[in-house]
Amino acid sequence: DMQMTQSPSSLSASVGDRVTITCRASQSISTFLNWYQQKPGKAPKLLIYAASSLQSGVPSRFSGSGSGTDFTLTISTLHPEDFATYYCQQSNSPPHTFGGGTKVEIK
Amino acid sequence: EVQLLESGGGLVQPGGSLRLSCAASGFTFSGYTMTWVRQTPRKGLEWVSAIGSSGDSTFYADSVKGRFTISRDNSKNTLYLQMNSLRAEDTAVYFCARDDVAVVRGIRVGYYFDSWGQGTLVTVSS
Repeated sequence: DMQMTQSPSSLSASVGDRVTITCRASQSISTFLNWYQQKPGKAPKLLIYAASSLQSGVPSRFSGSGSGTDFTLTISTLHPEDFATYYCQQSNSPPHTFGGGTKVEIK
Repeated sequence: EVQLLESGGGLVQPGGSLRLSCAASGFTFSGYTMTWVRQTPRKGLEWVSAIGSSGDSTFYADSVKGRFTISRDNSKNTLYLQMNSLRAEDTAVYFCARDDVAVVRGIRVGYYFDSWGQGTLVTVSS
């Protein structure tokens, strides 16, 4: 199965900070890469699909980039409601594996 | 508004069975591939099984192959997951999710879960 490795596993940041999360695939997945946000007790929410396409309704401070094996999720200016756990997921080949998650905490 | 509502979770003994349901509304259910994803604190999010829009194609994670069966009833807008020979490691919150696809100039460039249910907890324990 494809392995998805996220880093860091957690980070502390302040409101207004720029935050970058990386995801690496064990093989090339072109741009078949999605990003989700999850808050405690809730289902994941799609933020970015196809590596860089912003899901409808998601604020423009979220952006994604990358192709092949290396991908990045960037939050340009951290808002209070952005403190959550973020997951990448590959959809190039089944099973569509997820990364281990990055927890963004308040500094 | 797209809504997915899971049910059927609960406590079951090892070796037992359980059937999860996911009732869909707010979209044309028969037009979408549907997926089950589970989550545990230890293993995180794990893709479990998927079924094509008409039900004629199914996919399973190796960890559940031969024990779980995914199905759907498009007349009832409902997705199912029959879980047999349950093990302690199947303990998780189970989510159903709608699959969508991004197409650019006729080429599929991405598959993603754009809607999720709230999840149902399955606990396998004696």
